[in-house]
Amino acid sequence: QTVVTQEPSFSVSPGETISLTCGLSSGSVSPDHHPTWCRQTPGQAPRTLIFSTNTRSFGVPDRFSGSILGNKAALTITGAQADDESVYYCTLHLGGGIWMFGGGTKLTVL
Amino acid sequence: ERQMVESGGGLIQPGGSLRLSCVGTTFTVKTHFMNWVRQAPGKGLEWISVISGGGTTTYADSVRGRFTMARDDSKNTIFLQMNNLRVDDTAIYYCVEGFYSNYWGQGTPVTVSS
Repeated sequence: QTVVTQEPSFSVSPGETISLTCGLSSGSVSPDHHPTWCRQTPGQAPRTLIFSTNTRSFGVPDRFSGSILGNKAALTITGAQADDESVYYCTLHLGGGIWMFGGGTKLTVL
Repeated sequence: ERQMVESGGGLIQPGGSLRLSCVGTTFTVKTHFMNWVRQAPGKGLEWISVISGGGTTTYADSVRGRFTMARDDSKNTIFLQMNNLRVDDTAIYYCVEGFYSNYWGQGTPVTVSS
């Protein structure tokens, strides 16, 4: 059973740069998995930030960037701000039209 | 920006059926991949199904055989027919546009309880 892994939680100070990661329980993440990142604040629908590894969705500031780091996908937030506090989810395409989400990373900006 | 409106959620007993709808309000649904993603109370997101522009459907293991996606091009609407519902199907169900799940609806809540 494939599992998409994410850090359960992450803390950052305002202005810092962080990278959240997204891995696979079996094997490495590659661009063929089309890593996609969204964020969700309490009571709201998710919003997609990055798709297909590193393409920003319309209106997403360039403080958010996506990449492959080693064997994982990564979402980098440059200069964290208070309103970046959210739960961040990644999703990977496993082939055959099937996608799988990670469990999400709760980001706290202290 | 592509926008969708979901409807059809509600309270249903275990073993019952429900049909969710998602109408595209700013774009033509049949030319896009359309997904359903759900979120159980206090839990993360779970992708459950997709329909391609060509009408091909794919399902997650958790719903395959019980849930069916369909599309009515004349109504610019996709549907999720949910049969044999279980308590653990309780969730907010989001309609999401795009191969990469680019645009999300606001969701419709489904509660399965006796």
